[in-house]
Amino acid sequence: EADIYQTPRYLVIGTGKKITLECSQTMGHDKMYWYQQDPGMELHLIHYSYGVNSTEKGDLSSESTVSRIRTEHFPLTLESARPSHTSQYLCASSEYGTGSYEQYFGPGTRLTVT
Amino acid sequence: GEDVEQSLFLSVREGDSSVINCTYTDSSSTYLYWYKQEPGAGLQLLTYIFSNMDMKQDQRLTVLLNKKDKHLSLRIADTQTGDSAIYFCAEMGAGTALIFGKGTTLSVSS
Repeated sequence: EADIYQTPRYLVIGTGKKITLECSQTMGHDKMYWYQQDPGMELHLIHYSYGVNSTEKGDLSSESTVSRIRTEHFPLTLESARPSHTSQYLCASSEYGTGSYEQYFGPGTRLTVT
Repeated sequence: GEDVEQSLFLSVREGDSSVINCTYTDSSSTYLYWYKQEPGAGLQLLTYIFSNMDMKQDQRLTVLLNKKDKHLSLRIADTQTGDSAIYFCAEMGAGTALIFGKGTTLSVSS
């Protein structure tokens, strides 16, 4: 069982609010990722990190930002939430440089912006 | 560009075998993966296969890889109602990020 956690699991928030989605892992993984999963279930990579102080944008343009100050923590922030941000957000982590690079996923945060 | 294609739906009866197919485009992918997502949950890694292998078996799961045709399949033997979920095929893209297909919804009827 992978040890990767996301909070909150569900969030309903009004337009214009600032929100932070939390993601933590206890496996000591260097690489972490944020995916946005749309209603059609397709996953899109929006951010990733190779390690502390490293962040990169993914394939899908996103108005969110991320930070990686500690290895175990990779929060995602939306400065001003909009209804178009309504989606499921999945965090994942993997080891870097060894093995099969499989990613371990958290349970997700389902965000609804009204 | 990189793209992973899957059929969107598969319906089987309990006890039958399920075969979920996937095609990918990046011939340099070193690993290919199958993930399972149950309602309201994150993705769970089911199995993966290294690109120099043709087949991998793990209990009820069999993965077949045809590198020439860039075709990957997942066979679930003796499918159970608990196998009902969305199954994602993924290949490793640039920088070890994963490129996912759109997912195949497997429905198992008793």
